[in-house]
Amino acid sequence: EDQVTQSPEALRLQEGESSSLNCSYTVSGLRGLFWYRQDPGKGPEFLFTLYSAGEEKEKERLKATLTKKESFLHITAPKPEDSATYLCAVQRSYNTDKLIFGTGTRLQVFP
Amino acid sequence: DVKVTQSSRYLVKRTGEKVFLECVQDMDHENMFWYRQDPGLGLRLIYFSYDVKMKEKGDIPEGYSVSREKKERFSLILESASTNQTSMYLCASSSPEGDTQYFGPGTRLTVL
Repeated sequence: EDQVTQSPEALRLQEGESSSLNCSYTVSGLRGLFWYRQDPGKGPEFLFTLYSAGEEKEKERLKATLTKKESFLHITAPKPEDSATYLCAVQRSYNTDKLIFGTGTRLQVFP
Repeated sequence: DVKVTQSSRYLVKRTGEKVFLECVQDMDHENMFWYRQDPGLGLRLIYFSYDVKMKEKGDIPEGYSVSREKKERFSLILESASTNQTSMYLCASSSPEGDTQYFGPGTRLTVL
C-alpha cells in the first residue's frame, strides 16, 4: 500500500537551532514529492517540488532533499516565524491527479 | 499568483441540514479537489474534478457530492450534515500537467 510517513510529529527548537524533518514514502512509482507549509487555521502553502533522487531545492532557511525512499526538509537557523506544520505529499507516476499526504510535522521555534 | 478562494472561513450548521461549500480559482486550472483535514489523519481526498461536469470519487466520498458547472467553480455538498462531518475542508486546484496543487484558505465546518 502506498504510504507517506512524517517524523517527528512535533519538534520544538530554539531560535537558531538547525534541524531536519523527515518524510519517508513507499509508492510503486514516484513522479514527484511536494512540501507544503500550513499555518494554524489556514490552507497549505506550496514550498517545493522534487522529482528525482539527489535533487535539492532551497528557499530562505529551508532546503529540501530527496532520496529513493525519503525526503528531508532542513531548517537552518530557524526563526519564530518558521513555526508552522510542514506537510509532505507524493504524486505517483500513474494516477497523477492525486496526492498522498503525510500527517505533518508541527514545528515550534522559540525565541 | 494563483488564487483559490472559499466561500466561508467558518460555518456552523445543524444535523440534517444541507450544506454547500463553494470554491473558486482564478488560474484557469482544469483540476479541482476537495479534501477534509482532521487531526492525526492528515488530508483525505473527498472528490476531484478534471473538467467541467466531470467528477471522480476520492478516498472518502460517502455523505458528500460535488458540482462543477463552470471551470473556475467547484462546489462540495453535504446532503444531510452529520456531526462526524465536523472538520476543516480544503479546496485545491492544479493545471492539467497535474503537478502543484494550490490550496484555498479552508472552511472550518462545525455540525451541531
